Amino acid sequence: DAGVIQSPRHEVTEMGQEVTLRCKPISGHDYLFWYRQTMMRGLELLIYFNNNVPIDDSGMPEDRFSAKMPNASFSTLKIQPSEPRDSAVYFCASSLGFGGGRETQYFGPGTRLLVL
Amino acid sequence: GENVEQHPSTLSVQEGDSAVIKCTYSDSASNYFPWYKQELGKRPQLIIDIRSNVGEKKDQRIAVTLNKTAKHFSLHITETQPEDSAVYFCAASNSHSWGKLQFGAGTQVVVTP
Repeated sequence: DAGVIQSPRHEVTEMGQEVTLRCKPISGHDYLFWYRQTMMRGLELLIYFNNNVPIDDSGMPEDRFSAKMPNASFSTLKIQPSEPRDSAVYFCASSLGFGGGRETQYFGPGTRLLVL
Repeated sequence: GENVEQHPSTLSVQEGDSAVIKCTYSDSASNYFPWYKQELGKRPQLIIDIRSNVGEKKDQRIAVTLNKTAKHFSLHITETQPEDSAVYFCAASNSHSWGKLQFGAGTQVVVTP
C-alpha cells in the first residue's frame, strides 16, 4: 500500500484565499484524522471521521474551517477565507479501528501551508 | 478533557547512553498511550504503544512503562544511536473517544556521537 497520500505537499497563498487540502487514507482503514502542527500549539486533532461520518470536530478552530469525506478513499479540509495564523503543517492520518493494534494511526507526509 | 504534559522539552545524550522521557495525563479513564517519533521535516510515526492493562512493554532498545495510579508513563531508549535523534511525542486517549489522541508538547532528543 502507498500509505496515506496528501496533496498538495506545499501551498503558498494570500490572505483571504480559499485553500483546499486533500487526503487519501490507506485502503480499508475506517478512521480518518486531520491534524494541525505548529511550533506554538504542537500537534492538534482538528476532526476525525469513522466510515465517512464526522465523529468529533471539537478541534476545528472556527467556522472558516470545514472538512468533508464524501467516500472511503477521499477527504478534504477547506479553509475559507485563509489567514496568516493558519500557516502550519496539516497532517492527515488513518487507522483500522479500535483494539488489538487496530488503533495505530498512520500519518501522511503532510501539507505545509503558508498564508501570506 | 484530557491534558498531557511531557518532560523534558529537550534532551541531549551521548551515543550509547539511555534516554528517558516522561508524560503525565489528567483523565483517569485514559487507557491507550502511544509514542510517536518525528524526524525533521517528516511525518510522526508510531514507535511503541501501551494499554492500561499492561505495566510495561519492550521492543528491542525501546521500552514504555505505565503507572496508572500516578497517571504517568515513560519512554526509555537504551544504547542510543545518532538515528534516534528526533522529536518524540507521547499521547493518550480513552475507549469512549479512543480516536481523540491528546498529544504532549514533544521532546527534542539529540544524540551526540
